[in-house]
Amino acid sequence: NAGVMQNPRHLVRRRGQEARLRCSPMKGHSHVYWYRQLPEEGLKFMVYLQKENIIDESGMPKERFSAEFPKEGPSILRIQQVVRGDSAAYFCASSPGRDKTPLHFGNGTRLTVT
Amino acid sequence: DAKTTQPNSMESNEEEPVHLPCNHSTISGTDYIHWYRQLPSQGPEYVIHGLTSNVNNRMASLAIAEDRKSSTLILHRATLRDAAVYYCIPGGNDMRFGAGTRLTVKP
Repeated sequence: NAGVMQNPRHLVRRRGQEARLRCSPMKGHSHVYWYRQLPEEGLKFMVYLQKENIIDESGMPKERFSAEFPKEGPSILRIQQVVRGDSAAYFCASSPGRDKTPLHFGNGTRLTVT
Repeated sequence: DAKTTQPNSMESNEEEPVHLPCNHSTISGTDYIHWYRQLPSQGPEYVIHGLTSNVNNRMASLAIAEDRKSSTLILHRATLRDAAVYYCIPGGNDMRFGAGTRLTVKP
C-alpha cells in the first residue's frame, strides 16, 4: 500500500514563474491537507480539501496560491508568479476521514525560487 | 480552535524514558488528541492518538488527564533516532500544528 506521494521532490523556479506541486493521497483517502514549512520554522496549515471541494482555505495566501483536488488524479497546489519568499518545503497529508483518523504525510516538495 | 502549550525543547539521555507534556485546556469533548513527530529533513509522521483512555502502541504511550486538558507522550527508552520535533494536536477540522517540542537525545 503506497504512502502519500508528492512530486517533484525538488523544484527550482525563477521569480515570476509558476510552480505546480502534486500530491497523490493514499489509496482510499479522500481528504487532503497542504502545509508549508519555511526554513527553521514550524508547519503552517494552508488548505484542507475533500474530493472536488475546498473545505478550509483559511491558511492560504489570498493571491497567487490555489489548490484543487479533482475527482480523478492528484491534488495540485499551484503558485503563480513565484517570489523568493515562497521558497519552502510544502507537505501534503491525507486521511480517510476527519478528526479521528491520523494524517499520513508525504516527504514534501522543496521549492527554491531563484 | 483548541490551543496547545508545549515546552520549546527537552533533552534526554539515550535509553532513558522521556515524558513530553502538552496542555490543551480548550479542547472540545469530541476532539481526539494526536501526536506527530518530524525528524530532520523529513515529513511529519504519526505517533499516536487517543480520546480519553491511555493508549499504547509500538512507538509510544499516551497518557491523557482525566479532565482531558493535558496529555503526556511517553517514549519508554529514548534512542538517538527519536531526536525530532514532537507536535501535540487536539484534532479538529484543520489539524493545525503548533511549534512543538524539540527533543534532543544525548548518547
